[in-house]
Amino acid sequence: GIQVEQSPPDLILQEGANSTLRCNFSDSVNNLQWFHQNPWGQLINLFYIPSGTKQNGRLSATTVATERYSLLYISSSQTTDSGVYFCAVESPSRNNNDMRFGAGTRLTVKP
Amino acid sequence: NAGVMQNPRHLVRRRGQEARLRCSPMKGHSHVYWYRQLPEEGLKFMVYLQKENIIDESGMPKERFSAEFPKEGPSILRIQQVVRGDSAAYFCASSPSLEYGYTFGSGTRLTVV
Repeated sequence: GIQVEQSPPDLILQEGANSTLRCNFSDSVNNLQWFHQNPWGQLINLFYIPSGTKQNGRLSATTVATERYSLLYISSSQTTDSGVYFCAVESPSRNNNDMRFGAGTRLTVKP
Repeated sequence: NAGVMQNPRHLVRRRGQEARLRCSPMKGHSHVYWYRQLPEEGLKFMVYLQKENIIDESGMPKERFSAEFPKEGPSILRIQQVVRGDSAAYFCASSPSLEYGYTFGSGTRLTVV
């Protein structure tokens, strides 16, 4: 099945810093989403971005489907950005409609 | 729109008991997905359902686990004779169609004692 790799696995930032999280995937995808799991375990959908670039406040994401990667940018990070960021992809396999998750990037933003 | 509702938020079961996890998808969403997250791990796909049909259960353990999404009512993930290794967070997601992204519920945290 499709493989999803996220980097870095852990990231520690000072408040106000910028960061880039990367997601590589091994095959073409129908769907790619970025999620933030906050320290309370809640899973929040950030972007649905199978291709192109989207922005939402301090967050933006770019997916280059032809090169099989996606980037999540966090600017002016805040302590509330802490948590685990997951990339999930859905392959266009006929019998497989599930999302495959990467292992996540654990972000800690220090005040 | 209330979003994807999962209940209970926390569930404690003794070994050998049954666990029933409920998921009400967003209004208008007919696709439901269940995922399991073990401690310190990412989410792993379990099962994909549409109304009254199981589409893909390739991620479900062969025994003790079952899922349904009846015509009326929430989707149910049922775990019989729970064991300690079943302790995890179980997330449900829904989608209106295959062309749209998923929306996740807040999860049910199952603890088996």
